[in-house]
Amino acid sequence: GQQLNQSPQSMFIQEGEDVSMNCTSSSIFNTWLWYKQDPGEGPVLLIALYKAGELTSNGRLTAQFGITRKDSFLNISASIPSDVGIYFCAGQWGGKLIFGQGTELSVKP
Amino acid sequence: NAGVTQTPKFQVLKTGQSMTLQCAQDMNHEYMSWYRQDPGMGLRLIHYSVGAGITDQGEVPNGYNVSRSTTEDFPLRLLSAAPSQTSVYFCASSYEGGYYEQYFGPGTRLTVT
Repeated sequence: GQQLNQSPQSMFIQEGEDVSMNCTSSSIFNTWLWYKQDPGEGPVLLIALYKAGELTSNGRLTAQFGITRKDSFLNISASIPSDVGIYFCAGQWGGKLIFGQGTELSVKP
Repeated sequence: NAGVTQTPKFQVLKTGQSMTLQCAQDMNHEYMSWYRQDPGMGLRLIHYSVGAGITDQGEVPNGYNVSRSTTEDFPLRLLSAAPSQTSVYFCASSYEGGYYEQYFGPGTRLTVT
């Protein structure tokens, strides 16, 4: 079946630093989504990407849909303590969402 | 709007017991889904529904049953719980036109001993 490889698995950064994470697949996806999950909560949608090459921003977050449709990345600029959590990529395939394994972000004040 | 609600928040079962995880949404969403989340494995789709009366299997359906008699509710049934079903379960919903912009509930943490 479809699989997404998300990296890195975890990151420990200083407040104010920029963060970059990505997802890759051996298969093509029609849609890429990025979610954030806080401890004890469900994932919350951050950004949705619908076209190859699309670059979309949401505040300090920027995400891109790769030209090959097999990858996507998420950047967070000037990180703050509330950015802590697990970030998931998800790709749409055959009407279903496939999730990456997640990137756990820790921010040191 | 309450959004997507799930009950219970925590549950402990013995092997072989049955139970139903409840999910409800008040956004008039057509699509509803159940996922399980295990450490290091992201979220995996169990079952989903594209509308009342219509359900289909996801990636890991074995051991789970669903039904959708109303737009609002989408319960997940475990007929005979097994330790391998220890996980965190999330329900999600979305508009018909925005299937992929799913809104998640707070989750149910299930332990099977």
